[in-house]
Amino acid sequence: TQLLEQSPQFLSIQEGENLTVYCNSSSVFSSLQWYRQEPGEGPVLLVTVVTGGEVKKLKRLTFQFGDARKDSSLHITAAQPGDTGLYLCAGARAAYNNAGNMLTFGGGTRLMVKP
Amino acid sequence: DTGVSQDPRHKITKRGQNVTFRCDPISEHNRLYWYRQTLGQGPEFLTYFQNEAQLEKSRLLSDRFSAERPKGSFSTLEIQRTEQGDSAMYLCASSSGTTRRSPLHFGNGTRLTVT
Repeated sequence: TQLLEQSPQFLSIQEGENLTVYCNSSSVFSSLQWYRQEPGEGPVLLVTVVTGGEVKKLKRLTFQFGDARKDSSLHITAAQPGDTGLYLCAGARAAYNNAGNMLTFGGGTRLMVKP
Repeated sequence: DTGVSQDPRHKITKRGQNVTFRCDPISEHNRLYWYRQTLGQGPEFLTYFQNEAQLEKSRLLSDRFSAERPKGSFSTLEIQRTEQGDSAMYLCASSSGTTRRSPLHFGNGTRLTVT
């Protein structure tokens, strides 16, 4: 059972369109991170959100952490072919647990932006 | 290049053989993680080290898997008696603090194919 559910799993859009990717869970996370991964490479961090309701912007990307810290969304405005990749959300479940603070990843959203 | 380095990048082995992968984290990072990623899925946590101590192990890590980080620097992941189900990308990541504040820096992975 995936602790973090991402939707949609696949998304194919034309250059210039807007899109939103969702990351949902029934669990509360102390923080949530979004990564982007390209084929043959490891995930690369885009953003970390920590506070419920927090909104962060990274150029054309807008990230939001839900008020209850159980869900998050990534909105891309005017998508470009360079945005193509696998978008992964990952939650850290315990701020106090110094045993690892391991991240639990969602299954990812594979985005293709066609020129 | 001061990123996380993994070796080899690709490994093809026959079922039943043993394989060992190496990870060199970013030098000042005391935390090291191993994840496994199958095609079309997000990474799944395997194990975590803080310095040389292995502090967490996933249930995914069967008795055939063993990881070490002898001097708190590089780490090795060994899989004994490989099975076809072990075919996956094995990702190593390092960080300098808790994941609430510090992102994971991933290597580009070792892709294992068991024939």
